[in-house]
Formats: sequence, structure tokens, C-alpha cells
Amino acid sequence: ETGVTQTPRHLVMGMTNKKSLKCEQHLGHNAMYWYKQSAKKPLELMFVYNFKEQTENNSVPSRFSPECPNSSHLFLHLHTLQPEDSALYLCASSQDVADGSALHFGNGTRLTVT
Amino acid sequence: DQQVKQNSPSLSVQEGRISILNCDYTNSMFDYFLWYKKYPAEGPTFLISISSIKDKNEDGRFTVFLNKSAKHLSLHIVPSQPGDSAVYFCAGYNFNKFYFGSGTKLNVKP
Repeated sequence: ETGVTQTPRHLVMGMTNKKSLKCEQHLGHNAMYWYKQSAKKPLELMFVYNFKEQTENNSVPSRFSPECPNSSHLFLHLHTLQPEDSALYLCASSQDVADGSALHFGNGTRLTVT
Repeated sequence: DQQVKQNSPSLSVQEGRISILNCDYTNSMFDYFLWYKKYPAEGPTFLISISSIKDKNEDGRFTVFLNKSAKHLSLHIVPSQPGDSAVYFCAGYNFNKFYFGSGTKLNVKP
């Protein structure tokens, strides 16, 4: 039990589909993050939310749309993705975005775009 | 611009021996450095961290060393166990962001 739960674990979608990734944290943290992990590359920060407000958009294409309705839930809405968007998408949380406290990751969603 | 680099994609070590995982960085403003461990089909889990004002931090079998002049940090695992086989990521923290390396896959042979 990681304290950060991501669903679904695996997702296959066509380029014209619309889908959403869900993340929920049970740790009482105030900051939530989306990371992308492609094979043999560093974890790539996509979005950061602190107290439900987006504080970072790391030049992510608009086909990825985040939503943070409260401090415990984070969504990533996907539409008209490209095959190169296939990757492991990791959600993480931390106590606060500004104190350097360690990130707690979920197990990720393995996304395949066909 | 990759600010944190792990130049060894893989490392193989015999059980009971020392594992040394290396990480280089370019940003001298990092406040903290962290190591994460990742098993297949799981997310990374926090292992150990070090403040930029320290040069060593130890937690059981895991020790992280920081050499600021060389912009280099290393993770020592002694003794290595087969359960330590995983991908290890180092990360630097600065200005509300974590910068990760690309990981080193450690294989500890029984």
C-alpha cells in the first residue's frame, strides 16, 4: 500500500480516444504531481498542484489536461494523443511543494497509444 | 538540459558485496538530493536523502555521500542483498522542483 493510488494500471487507447487517469492520495499531503517516465529517460515533470492550485506546467502539450478538484485527487485527461505519448505516467504527492519533502509515488499507469 | 545524470545504466554485484551507484549534477543550487528505488510494475519509493550542507548520510545498509566540489553523489549499499535488485534514481531538489536522473538498474546476484 503506497498511500498513492492510481487507476487504471494499464490503458490502451487509440489516437482519437478520450480517456482519464485518476490519482488519489491518502497521506494528507498538499502537493500533487504528474510525471512521465519513458524508457531509459529521466522522470519528466508534467504538472504540479499545491493546495489545489496549479503551480507548474512544464510545457506540456494541450492534449494533456490536468484537473485537481481537491488536495486528495488528481486527474489527467487525455485526448488525441500520439504514439510517442506511450509511457508510464506516475502520480506523486508531497507534504508541500516548497519544503523539499520526499515525493510519494503511485504505481503508475502504463499507457499505450495505438 | 539534464541537470542530474546517471551515466551507468546498469550495475551487477555479488550478494554480500558493496554496491556503489553514482550520480553527477550540474546545478550547484540544489538544496537536497534524494535516492529512489523502483521495482518493476511499481512506482519509485523514497530511500534516503542528503542536505546540500552535509557530506554524508547513513541509514542502515544505505549511505549517501555528497562531494559538492565535484558535483557528485553516490549511494553505497553494504552488504548488497538480492532484494536490492531494482532501478535506482537520484534526484536533486531546487526551487520547488525535483530533477531526476535516468536511473541505474542494479542486479545483485545470489
